[in-house]
Amino acid sequence: KQEVTQIPAALSVPEGENLVLNCSFTDSAIYNLQWFRQDPGKGLTSLLLIQSSQREQTSGRLNASLDKSSGRSTLYIAASQPGDSATYLCAVKRDNQGGKLIFGQGTELSVKP
Amino acid sequence: SAVISQKPSRDICQRGTSLTIQCQVDSQVTMMFWYRQQPGQSLTLIATANQGSEATYESGFVIDKFPISRPNLTFSTLTVSNMSPEDSSIYLCSVEDWRQLIRGETQYFGPGTRLLVL
Repeated sequence: KQEVTQIPAALSVPEGENLVLNCSFTDSAIYNLQWFRQDPGKGLTSLLLIQSSQREQTSGRLNASLDKSSGRSTLYIAASQPGDSATYLCAVKRDNQGGKLIFGQGTELSVKP
Repeated sequence: SAVISQKPSRDICQRGTSLTIQCQVDSQVTMMFWYRQQPGQSLTLIATANQGSEATYESGFVIDKFPISRPNLTFSTLTVSNMSPEDSSIYLCSVEDWRQLIRGETQYFGPGTRLLVL
């Protein structure tokens, strides 16, 4: 059974810091891995999607890496801003046949001005 | 990308009652899913809503408690039946389409319905 774990559960940093969020999964047979952002009262916003054949994806100040063999992914946020404050969720997808997403518990990030 | 709306956005209900949540998508999609996010927890898939047939439920979720309808390719409902305080959660609808998969895109999520059961 696939399990997804995110560390740390919560993180508070001063504005401008670079930071890394961690995600691990127990079954390396995944189709893709995604990082989402969840803001209070809002749905999920997809940040980055990494296919199983890829090693990393970048979007602006965000960089996500994937090491399937070790069951790990990291989300790197450069030059953090107060607007980055949110809960970040990692999710893996088993296959492309309408496979469900299995989520980690999330990392609650707070960036202090 | 798909634009998804959910109604209601939030509700406070009494135990023993039922609530139906609606999910509307602005385009036809292949797959629709319902997730639950309990307080302090992550998202858990309740079921896949199948158009024209019964929903496919995940382990731990049953049709009598969470009946689901999907009359067409743009709309689905989830009913939370005979509610108890343990049903207090955020319920999210998500969609996926084969055209998105081909483009390597992700599932899209609605804004969620915040339910509090007293």
